[in-house]
Amino acid sequence: KAGVTQTPRYLIKTRGQQVTLSCSPISGHRSVSWYQQTPGQGLQFLFEYFSETQRNKGNFPGRFSGRQFSNSRSEMNVSTLELGDSALYLCASSLAASNTGELFFGEGSRLTVL
Amino acid sequence: AQSVTQPDIHITVSEGASLELRCNYSYGATPYLFWYVQSPGQGLQLLLKYFSGDTLVQGIKGFEAEFKRSQSSFNLRKPSVHWSDAAEYFCAVGALGGANNLFFGTGTRLTVIP
Repeated sequence: KAGVTQTPRYLIKTRGQQVTLSCSPISGHRSVSWYQQTPGQGLQFLFEYFSETQRNKGNFPGRFSGRQFSNSRSEMNVSTLELGDSALYLCASSLAASNTGELFFGEGSRLTVL
Repeated sequence: AQSVTQPDIHITVSEGASLELRCNYSYGATPYLFWYVQSPGQGLQLLLKYFSGDTLVQGIKGFEAEFKRSQSSFNLRKPSVHWSDAAEYFCAVGALGGANNLFFGTGTRLTVIP
């Protein structure tokens, strides 16, 4: 069965712009989590959605937002981009909302902010 | 608060040699512990996890990890490393029964030399 699909894989934006990233989870998975990966901060949890509801949110400013659709696909949006937002954004899907650790990650969307 | 420490940023081993990657965690209750691997340009793949029970956990690709509560450690081992094991390895801790947000260590990059 198909894995987690993230689009776009690569993108370049300039400061002040906004960006939307998309994630299609594994079929049947209802939980989608987002992580930011940077060389300096490592992997940091952004937020998690389950059944179209945000269940948990990491320590990121309000410029970072997300949503989940009825088909479990998720999008995250970053507004007013800053240079420090350059990162690999990873989406992970899971069957359940509670923590089983069975997170399946996509290959990520690499965002470069100039 | 949860935290994970991977003291080794980079490890180099010869192919066929044994491997041990260190992980120390801080968590107030019984943790869920995980090891993930990330190959260049890829997402993360779950190697193994510990929830409870037997403290020696077997994973995929011949990896194992041992949970030692007294040392707050969850070290990853492999008896004989293959060149294809070259990647970045992340230890993570999660909340028992909590949401799907994991706290990751900063990672250990493994180089395998012939």
